[in-house]
This record gives sequence, structure tokens and C-alpha cells, in this order.
Amino acid sequence: DGGITQSPKYLFRKEGQNVTLSCEQNLNHDAMYWYRQDPGQGLRLIYYSQIVNDFQKGDIAEGYSVSREKKESFPLTVTSAQKNPTAFYLCASSPQGFPYEQYFGPGTRLTVT
Amino acid sequence: KQEVTQIPAALSVPEGENLVLNCSFTDSAIYNLQWFRQDPGKGLTSLLLIQSSQREQTSGRLNASLDKSSGRSTLYIAASQPGDSATYLCAAPTGNQFYFGTGTSLTVIP
Repeated sequence: DGGITQSPKYLFRKEGQNVTLSCEQNLNHDAMYWYRQDPGQGLRLIYYSQIVNDFQKGDIAEGYSVSREKKESFPLTVTSAQKNPTAFYLCASSPQGFPYEQYFGPGTRLTVT
Repeated sequence: KQEVTQIPAALSVPEGENLVLNCSFTDSAIYNLQWFRQDPGKGLTSLLLIQSSQREQTSGRLNASLDKSSGRSTLYIAASQPGDSATYLCAAPTGNQFYFGTGTSLTVIP
């Protein structure tokens, strides 16, 4: 089955620790995205990548880092510099070019205490 | 920058009613408009994609329309069922990004 996998589903960390969220897709999509979702705020774009070894900051990139070494994988690291990291994180992908349709993974809920 | 708004934020209807969810956007230079469903604690599931050259798209009991000139899209749900209870989001890809509304939380009462 083609799709996007995110692991783990739930993640707990102590304040001050870096944590990496996994996102893998087997849809052969060129573009991948990371979003953060907080209650009542909708989805906010953290980073996106349109091709391997290239990525761009979204609206809320501070305190986050990414890499895109393989087409299938786009891991997100939440660093200790992120002031309020507790949130629901969603990874998505889309084929490059028309029809620009976006597909989502199941999400990872990160709790930092 | 594209801004997407969804009204109402929450909606509660009795089972069997037809209903309309609204999505408005400020920049009409969109490639398409995509409607999603999100269940609590889950990812987004794509419901319908309307190309910028289309005016509507249908899937089962769902019908989505798009009016680029007025910056509006609507999602019509016919004969609502309790299983339709979820949050519905619209997204408008503009430039290299997808811009999302904050969603409409729908509750269908049996």
C-alpha cells in the first residue's frame, strides 16, 4: 500500500532534549512538508522540501531543523530552542506539479515536560 | 500572503440534515482547492480536490464547489450521518505552499 508513515504516534521528552520525528513516504512524491497543529490554530507550515538535498523554511521554522537526504524520507528535529514544542505534528507529501494534491501521514503527538 | 477562512468554526445538526461548510480565500491565484476531513488525533484525509478550471466536484454524498472570482468554496454534505462527525478543513495551494483554514468542527446528532 502506498502512503505516508510517521513514527512514533506518541512521543514524550524532557525539556532541553532534542527529539527527531520520522516521516517516510512510498508515493514517489517529490515534495514533502512538516506542519504543526495546535488547538484552534489550524495547520502551520514548519519546513518544506521540493527536491532531495533542498528545503525551505515555512512560517514557524525557529527551533526546528530538517534534512532531505533521500526522496522517501524527511525527518524533523525539534530542538531545545523551540519554546513551546508540545503539539501535534503532521507530515505531508505532494507530487511536483499538477494537480498539487497533498497527502498526509497519521501524525505524531509530542509532549515535552 | 494567502489567507483562508472557514465559517462556521463549529456546527451541530440532527442526523439526516443537508449542510454547507464554507471556505474563503484572499488570493484567487490558486492551483486548486482541496477539502479534508480530520478525526480527533488523526491525520488529514482528502475528500475532494477541485481544479482551478473546474466549478465543482462530487463524491458520494459530498459536493464541493469553487468560485475563484469571489474567493469562495463550499462543501455540501447531503443526508448527514453520525459518522460524518469530524473537523473539515480546506486548503488552497498558492505559490509553493498550501494554506489551510482553521476548520469547521461538525457534530451530527443521532
